[in-house]
Amino acid sequence: GAVVSQHPSWVICKSGTSVKIECRSLDFQATTMFWYRQFPKQSLMLMATSNEGSKATYEQGVEKDKFLINHASLTLSTLTVTSAHPEDSSFYICSPLRASDTDTQYFGPGTRLTVL
Amino acid sequence: KQEVTQIPAALSVPEGENLVLNCSFTDSAIYNLQWFRQDPGKGLTSLLLIQSSQREQTSGRLNASLDKSSGRSTLYIAASQPGDSATYLCAVPVAAGNKLTFGGGTRVLVKP
Repeated sequence: GAVVSQHPSWVICKSGTSVKIECRSLDFQATTMFWYRQFPKQSLMLMATSNEGSKATYEQGVEKDKFLINHASLTLSTLTVTSAHPEDSSFYICSPLRASDTDTQYFGPGTRLTVL
Repeated sequence: KQEVTQIPAALSVPEGENLVLNCSFTDSAIYNLQWFRQDPGKGLTSLLLIQSSQREQTSGRLNASLDKSSGRSTLYIAASQPGDSATYLCAVPVAAGNKLTFGGGTRVLVKP
């Protein structure tokens, strides 16, 4: 199976600070990256879709200036939560799409963000 | 807009009993359907993927059926074990490689 890593696995920060989450596809190239978030006891909701080298497409209700996505290479995408607030506390999961196998979706292990 | 619903939201069974988890979707134009397992505070583990042309898929004690016309899928877990305790999510993409729409999940507890 494909290996996807996320770093950090958990982070606690003060309100107003920015947090960067990295997602790497370790053994395959991902031309597309999906970023999801999951609030406690809720399901995953798509935040944005990014294609390598292009600007991300954000879902309705997701602020593009607050959640900055960079997909500069085929193996690395980053999500930066800018000026984080307690309501941004959530579980963030990346899902890189393997170009050679678009039927199967892979997920990172997730990053737990807690904003105090 | 595709909506995915999972019933029940939570399920508690004694060890050894069979589990039946339901997933329904509103738009039958799906490319495939996936079932995932999520342990508390963890990411997703893919369990089964059923293509739209298939009616079922099996892996060990797991069996998933798909009825596209009625917008339903069912995940059966035979002879449940305490280690099966987790949240089970179903999800559908609209097309290959497209974003997934997830159901709300079914939280399963298998009691020893």
